Amino acid sequence: GENVEQHPSTLSVQEGDSAVIKCTYSDSASNYFPWYKQELGKRPQLIIDIRSNVGEKKDQRIAVTLNKTAKHFSLHITETQPEDSAVYFCAASKNNQGGKLIFGQGTELSVKP
Amino acid sequence: GAGVSQTPSNKVTEKGKYVELRCDPISGHTALYWYRQSLGQGPEFLIYFQGTGAADDSGLPNDRFFAVRPEGSVSTLKIQRTERGDSAVYLCASSPSSGYTDTQYFGPGTRLTVL
Repeated sequence: GENVEQHPSTLSVQEGDSAVIKCTYSDSASNYFPWYKQELGKRPQLIIDIRSNVGEKKDQRIAVTLNKTAKHFSLHITETQPEDSAVYFCAASKNNQGGKLIFGQGTELSVKP
Repeated sequence: GAGVSQTPSNKVTEKGKYVELRCDPISGHTALYWYRQSLGQGPEFLIYFQGTGAADDSGLPNDRFFAVRPEGSVSTLKIQRTERGDSAVYLCASSPSSGYTDTQYFGPGTRLTVL
């Protein structure tokens, strides 16, 4: 079955710097890749997603890139702010498995003021 | 509108006991998912429902775990003969349908502790 690896497990940046989180997946049939943000003690919330027919997607300070050949995708956060501090999870799914999501292990992002 | 809700928020039980965890999805959402999140890990898929039927239960770890959604709305995850290794946060999510790109909206989770 699908396996999603996420790196790094922790990331500390200064406010205003950029942060990059990377994920690799094993199943070449996976074709949908969402990213969730989970603040301490709260529920995961979708922040951005990308489908396999697109190489890049951007939403204000957040962007996601996908390299299907290499089977990896990345989350980019620019101009980081303290409120970006949270755990970020990547996930993968494919169209013959309904909405079943396979998650990475998570990255704890800390943005220092 | 109201989001996904889960009850109880915390459940402490003793090894060997039976527990039920409840999920109320967003009204009108036909797909409902259960995940388990251990400390420091990503959510792990357990089962999902499309309507009343379990469309994929491949993530249930063993036959002690069972879930139902009899009327296509509220779902209950049932764990028999609980073990300490079952301790985790159990997350429920719902989406408008089971389309693979439909956004899943998560509940706050139930933290289960098995002593």
